[in-house]
Amino acid sequence: KAGVTQTPRYLIKTRGQQVTLSCSPISGHRSVSWYQQTPGQGLQFLFEYFSETQRNKGNFPGRFSGRQFSNSRSEMNVSTLELGDSALYLCASSLERGLNTEAFFGQGTRLTVV
Amino acid sequence: TQLLEQSPQFLSIQEGENLTVYCNSSSVFSSLQWYRQEPGEGPVLLVTVVTGGEVKKLKRLTFQFGDARKDSSLHITAAQPGDTGLYLCAGMNNRLAFGKGNQVVVIP
Repeated sequence: KAGVTQTPRYLIKTRGQQVTLSCSPISGHRSVSWYQQTPGQGLQFLFEYFSETQRNKGNFPGRFSGRQFSNSRSEMNVSTLELGDSALYLCASSLERGLNTEAFFGQGTRLTVV
Repeated sequence: TQLLEQSPQFLSIQEGENLTVYCNSSSVFSSLQWYRQEPGEGPVLLVTVVTGGEVKKLKRLTFQFGDARKDSSLHITAAQPGDTGLYLCAGMNNRLAFGKGNQVVVIP
């Protein structure tokens, strides 16, 4: 079956712009989580969605937001981009929520803010 | 403050050597997962350990979960170039918290 698909793979934006990233989870998976990965901070949790509801949120400013649709596809939006938002944004899908649920990651979207 | 500290950050070894990397925390986790990430790709799950003291083997990789469920180690026997990658540990409570990773380079 198809894996987690993230689009676009690469993106260049200028400061002050906004961006929307998309994630299509594995068919049948209902949980989608988003992470920001940078060399200095590693993988930082952004938020988790399950059945169209945000279940968990990391410590990021309100410029970072997301949503999940009825087909489990998810989008995240970053407004008023800053240089420090340059990172690899990873999406992970899981069948359910749970302590030992396996997370499957997409290849990520590489965002560069100039 | 990083919830999970991984050490060493970077390790370069010759093919055939053994290596051990560590993942430590002051927090107790319900379970701990290890992932490997290669350049340009997302992390891929290697193993989940749940019980304190648990040891799991995956071919030449041995994973151990500490008795107190706060730390873990990954040991690779007879490393091969294909083992090169960023090894990430992630502790699970209500969500996954990742360490910064152990960058392993195996030189042919």
